[in-house]
Amino acid sequence: LAKTTQPISMDSYEGQEVNITCSHNNIATNDYITWYQQFPSQGPRFIIQGYKTKVTNEVASLFIPADRKSSTLSLPRVSLSDTAVYYCLVGETGGGADGLTFGKGTHLIIQP
Amino acid sequence: SAVISQKPSRDICQRGTSLTIQCQVDSQVTMMFWYRQQPGQSLTLIATANQGSEATYESGFVIDKFPISRPNLTFSTLTVSNMSPEDSSIYLCSVVLSLYGYTFGSGTRLTVV
Repeated sequence: LAKTTQPISMDSYEGQEVNITCSHNNIATNDYITWYQQFPSQGPRFIIQGYKTKVTNEVASLFIPADRKSSTLSLPRVSLSDTAVYYCLVGETGGGADGLTFGKGTHLIIQP
Repeated sequence: SAVISQKPSRDICQRGTSLTIQCQVDSQVTMMFWYRQQPGQSLTLIATANQGSEATYESGFVIDKFPISRPNLTFSTLTVSNMSPEDSSIYLCSVVLSLYGYTFGSGTRLTVV
């Protein structure tokens, strides 16, 4: 699995757009990029997954440049409830044959 | 989406004892995964449990310490044996229920005193 590097922590304010960038220089051709969100006392929750260019769902957008060596999770108009740890993971999707390798994640703190 | 239930949600145990954590999924899955999350840390994969075969353990985790059962396609248990304070962590189970992601239980918060 490709190693990922994310900022340890980020701060922002309610209503702002937050962008969290993840570096994955050794990403393989078959690898997808997946982001998870974890609140205290809960298990991680799937947010979004992509392979290239841009993916958008009701929660977030994921931007992936052509070289795929990095990706940016974009959270529009954050609220206090978006305070959580966000994990970027890189690996083959689906199948379910392998467990996940989590990095340290980004602790996002949203202030009023 | 499918639901994963873990029991107990938390426990305080004496050192030297064992605790069995249960994970129930409301649909059949081939693989179930067990993770440990130490205080303030990220998740670490303990083992992969496949129904009908021995669990596969990651480096640093052994069957004698973390025996796993997988009696059917919807249920698994993880036992933390001969506990010490260093075993105080959150233990989570996880399954793949779609092509796009893994679903996690809410975890079992274990404190060993």
